[in-house]
Amino acid sequence: DTGVSQDPRHKITKRGQNVTFRCDPISEHNRLYWYRQTLGQGPEFLTYFQNEAQLEKSRLLSDRFSAERPKGSFSTLEIQRTEQGDSAMYLCASSLRAGLTTGELFFGEGSRLTVL
Amino acid sequence: AQSVTQLGSHVSVSEGALVLLRCNYSSSVPPYLFWYVQYPNQGLQLLLKYTSAATLVKGINGFEAEFKKSETSFHLTKPSAHMSDAAEYFCAVSDRGYNKLIFGAGTRLAVHP
Repeated sequence: DTGVSQDPRHKITKRGQNVTFRCDPISEHNRLYWYRQTLGQGPEFLTYFQNEAQLEKSRLLSDRFSAERPKGSFSTLEIQRTEQGDSAMYLCASSLRAGLTTGELFFGEGSRLTVL
Repeated sequence: AQSVTQLGSHVSVSEGALVLLRCNYSSSVPPYLFWYVQYPNQGLQLLLKYTSAATLVKGINGFEAEFKKSETSFHLTKPSAHMSDAAEYFCAVSDRGYNKLIFGAGTRLAVHP
């Protein structure tokens, strides 16, 4: 399978714990995006990388959130001191550098976080 | 500011009937517009896109959409619904720098026999 893969698919944690999600993009894609999706809402932009550089972060990405993309390959999204409001589906997507010109983000199946 | 409004969070149609899912956008620059579909437990898949070429865009699975600048709309249609079309549909607009997508809240399509 050469699509975007995310791990884990499901994570249940207790409030206050740290969690980390991993995303492996399509191998030749330079851009990698993180979105968050809550029930009944569309995906909300969190951040994106061009290779290893984090080019933009949303105001939704509080200080408890950190994303990295070492070596411009896979990416991790860490949430520290989780809160119940962090419960959501975290989506990863990738695209070629000129992704929006050619018009497509390729999405993974998401990592669902439940904070108890 | 860039934004998308999808009218109707739930739409129900009979199998064989016309599907019409509404999307209106706001953009301070010429927009790129997209429709994605999300089936249960699957990732979002691109249905079709408008990137300033033809205003009538054809996508996969018989869907099409028409860009109407005067109405700031990009409604999604399909002449005849199939049971397999039941899913959630998201309209999205590019940001001002054409770097990321801004999504609407989605419309859940139900198709009944």
